[in-house]
Amino acid sequence: DQQVKQNSPSLSVQEGRISILNCDYTNSMFDYFLWYKKYPAEGPTFLISISSIKDKNEDGRFTVFLNKSAKHLSLHIVPSQPGDSAVYFCAASPPDSGYALNFGKGTSLLVTP
Amino acid sequence: EPEVTQTPSHQVTQMGQEVILRCVPISNHLYFYWYRQILGQKVEFLVSFYNNEISEKSEIFDDQFSVERPDGSNFTLKIRSTKLEDSAMYFCASSAGGVHEQFFGPGTRLTVL
Repeated sequence: DQQVKQNSPSLSVQEGRISILNCDYTNSMFDYFLWYKKYPAEGPTFLISISSIKDKNEDGRFTVFLNKSAKHLSLHIVPSQPGDSAVYFCAASPPDSGYALNFGKGTSLLVTP
Repeated sequence: EPEVTQTPSHQVTQMGQEVILRCVPISNHLYFYWYRQILGQKVEFLVSFYNNEISEKSEIFDDQFSVERPDGSNFTLKIRSTKLEDSAMYFCASSAGGVHEQFFGPGTRLTVL
């Protein structure tokens, strides 16, 4: 039951350009969304989050956009840096769930010099 | 910076054996979680734990699984009789009170032979 979908398994971007990672969800009860970054042999690292009452949240080079009507969110990284190369996971949580996170399968981002 | 730690980093066991995976959450956090990631698949929620009891669990978390906070610092996941399909990366996470942002440990790779 894939409630959070990341349809692009991989993305390649040149250093300095914008990286846009996309995520779709099916459960309209989700009210909180998060992005995590993961390097090989490490656990997911929290990047940025957004509540369903907002449509945008920004933190430095990272911005998350939420389109509730389309059940779609995206993560923008600008400017992209080689150190951003990692797997990015979208996650969502419904209310009253003990904060259980539903993860997408991830998008592998490669930022080339 | 405080971090979640997990031991061991890799556990190899025979089918039918019991295993205990250990985690030390961030010290002032109140919510604790276990997730797993089977190779090539998404990160899946297993269980959340708050105030010394399970607050939510997934269908995966059946009677073979149990969690415990035996003292003020450790959080453990026990699998009573391991199966081949339990082979996965197991991640522990913790969060401060009432927030969705969870901080993950580096994971324990469990291999069941």
